[in-house]
Amino acid sequence: EVQLVESGGALVQPGRSLRLSCAASGFTFHDYTMHWVRQAPGKGLEWVSGISWNSGSIDQADSVKGRFTISRDNAKNALYLQMNSLRPEDTALYYCAKSYYRGNSYYFDYWGQGTLVTVSS
Amino acid sequence: SYELTQVPSVSVSPGQTASITCSGDALAKHYGHWYQQKPGQAPVLLIKQDNERPSGIPERFSGSSSGTIMTLTISGVQAEDEADYYCQSAGSGGIYSVVFGGGTKLTVL
Repeated sequence: EVQLVESGGALVQPGRSLRLSCAASGFTFHDYTMHWVRQAPGKGLEWVSGISWNSGSIDQADSVKGRFTISRDNAKNALYLQMNSLRPEDTALYYCAKSYYRGNSYYFDYWGQGTLVTVSS
Repeated sequence: SYELTQVPSVSVSPGQTASITCSGDALAKHYGHWYQQKPGQAPVLLIKQDNERPSGIPERFSGSSSGTIMTLTISGVQAEDEADYYCQSAGSGGIYSVVFGGGTKLTVL
């Protein structure tokens, strides 16, 4: 059974940093591109960042470029999101998602339950 | 940059058919996918690659796509189908870039 378990969410002041983690199990982690997707309270889904199986390629949304860094440790079956210079608009539930590529686009076949990040003074 | 547009809400009576549309230039070049999200829960993949149902998804959910518009159809809507529905396709950034529609709230009357 595929499991994605996020952790690391917290209440943090604007300008501070936070590191999110996602523990993966039930599939061959190093075979798949992984992503972070967030959802602000009462709002829709927003893609944040994706990383290739070997960390060789990374993409990020413009809203987090230069502030957030996605990474992974295949030996530990773990995905990370380093979040720096946090802003109130980064307040959201952050989901770790396993992606599958078919044809010409990725889709997310498994999601974690999310970890809540609140940026407020 | 690519954007996907959805109507904010759709209402339907039980047993009727609900259609939820998603439009955007990305859909003319890339597959589209649909997710269902119920309150307090993570999204669930509902339709992949325009019209394929993943294992475990009821047959009443179907998808279609033509040009820049894709449609999620729910036949014989049940009360449990009340949820938010999101479309998704490739983004206009790098290869891993993804874009979501704004979501459609389906209300079962």
